Amino acid sequence: QVQLVQSGAEVKKPGASVKVSCKASGYTFTGYYMHWVRQAPGQGLEWMGWINPNSGGTNYAQKFQGRVTMTRDTSISTAYMELSRLRSDDTAVYYCAYVYSSSPLSHPFDYWGQGTLVTVSS
Amino acid sequence: DIQLTQSPSFLSASVGDRVTITCRASQGISSYLAWYQQKPGKAPKLLIYAASTLQSGVPSRFSGSGSGTEFTLTISSLQPEDFATYYCQQLNSYPITFGPGTKVDIK
Repeated sequence: QVQLVQSGAEVKKPGASVKVSCKASGYTFTGYYMHWVRQAPGQGLEWMGWINPNSGGTNYAQKFQGRVTMTRDTSISTAYMELSRLRSDDTAVYYCAYVYSSSPLSHPFDYWGQGTLVTVSS
Repeated sequence: DIQLTQSPSFLSASVGDRVTITCRASQGISSYLAWYQQKPGKAPKLLIYAASTLQSGVPSRFSGSGSGTEFTLTISSLQPEDFATYYCQQLNSYPITFGPGTKVDIK
């Protein structure tokens, strides 16, 4: 069965960077796009962007352009999301979510990781 | 950016009630709308996509309708496990956006 297993919780200081991993299993990792979504405490869902695990191509939400980098390691079926220059309002649960489609748009997020809490505090 | 609004933002209901949640888009999104259910401390779960297609394994008491700018999620007979927050999502254009959520609570 499809599983997305994310790395553990992180505590970072303002200005630092964080890198969250998402290990995929149960499907062909390079066949389908991976999105990243975050959720601040008590708030709604915010889309950050996607990576094409096959080509490494990315598309980031404008809000995160210049601060987010999405990468992958196909040898271990793992996607990564790195967010730099962290601020207190980046405190959130970060989710990876896979789309069972060859298109990153138009198709919903079928499976989600369990989430990774990133806390930014001095 | 396409803005999604949901109404109501909070809903108090009893087991067995019929519940309807509305999602409105700031511009037409055809049928590129999905609904998710989220319980506290858990990841969202896909319920409906393409506005009205039930995801495999989701109970038939959930249904979706609409196109263009107005969409609805209906739960025909609310069950105890349905108390959660529901989000709509548009997949018509970038950036992908979500509605602010509707929390369904026990009356």
